[in-house]
Amino acid sequence: NAGVTQTPKFQVLKTGQSMTLQCAQDMNHNSMYWYRQDPGMGLRLIYYSASEGTTDKGEVPNGYNVSRLNKREFSLRLESAAPSQTSVYFCASSEMDRDNSPLHFGNGTRLTVT
Amino acid sequence: GEDVEQSLFLSVREGDSSVINCTYTDSSSTYLYWYKQEPGAGLQLLTYIFSNMDMKQDQRLTVLLNKKDKHLSLRIADTQTGDSAIYFCAESSPGGSYIPTFGRGTSLIVHP
Repeated sequence: NAGVTQTPKFQVLKTGQSMTLQCAQDMNHNSMYWYRQDPGMGLRLIYYSASEGTTDKGEVPNGYNVSRLNKREFSLRLESAAPSQTSVYFCASSEMDRDNSPLHFGNGTRLTVT
Repeated sequence: GEDVEQSLFLSVREGDSSVINCTYTDSSSTYLYWYKQEPGAGLQLLTYIFSNMDMKQDQRLTVLLNKKDKHLSLRIADTQTGDSAIYFCAESSPGGSYIPTFGRGTSLIVHP
C-alpha cells in the first residue's frame, strides 16, 4: 500500500519553463490537495479537489493550475515557472466524506527555479 | 483569515519531556491535529483531539486542549533523539470545509 505517491522527487527549472507535478493515491480517498512549504511559512494550500470533477483555489493559487484526472490522480502545473515558486510541494489526500478527515501526505517534490 | 500560531524552535535533552504549544483563533474549530515531519519526508498524523475533549493520551504523547483560551499543547514524555522533527499544529472547522489550517511548525531538537 503506497499511500500518496509524488513524482518527481526533485526538479530544477529555468525561469519561464513549464512542468507538471504528478500525484496519485491508492486509498480511494475523495479529496486531494496541493500545498507548498517554505521556510518559516509552514504549509500553504494552493488548490484542492473535494471530489472527482471539482477543483477549488486555496490560499496561494496564482501561477498554478490543477487537474483532477480521475479519483486517484491530481496534478499541479506551473505554466511559466518563477523563482518565487522555488519550494517543496506536497500532495495530500483525505476521505472528506466525514468531518474528521486527517490528511495523508506524499513525500514531496523539491523544486528549484533559477 | 483564521490563524494558527506556534513557536518555531524547541531544544530539549534526551530523556526530558517536551512541550510544544499552539494557539488558534477560530472559535468554531472542531478538530485539532498534531502532525510530525521528519527530514526529507511528508507530514504524518501523530494524533488529534475533538474540541469537546480536554485531554487525550497515547503512549508517550499527551494532548491538552484549553478551548476557552484556544490553546493546544503536545507533551512528549521521555523525549528521544528520534523525536527530532518538525511538529505542526492544525485545526479544522465547518466554516473551512474541514480543510486543516496549519501552523508554521515547531522544530524540536533533542540533544543527547
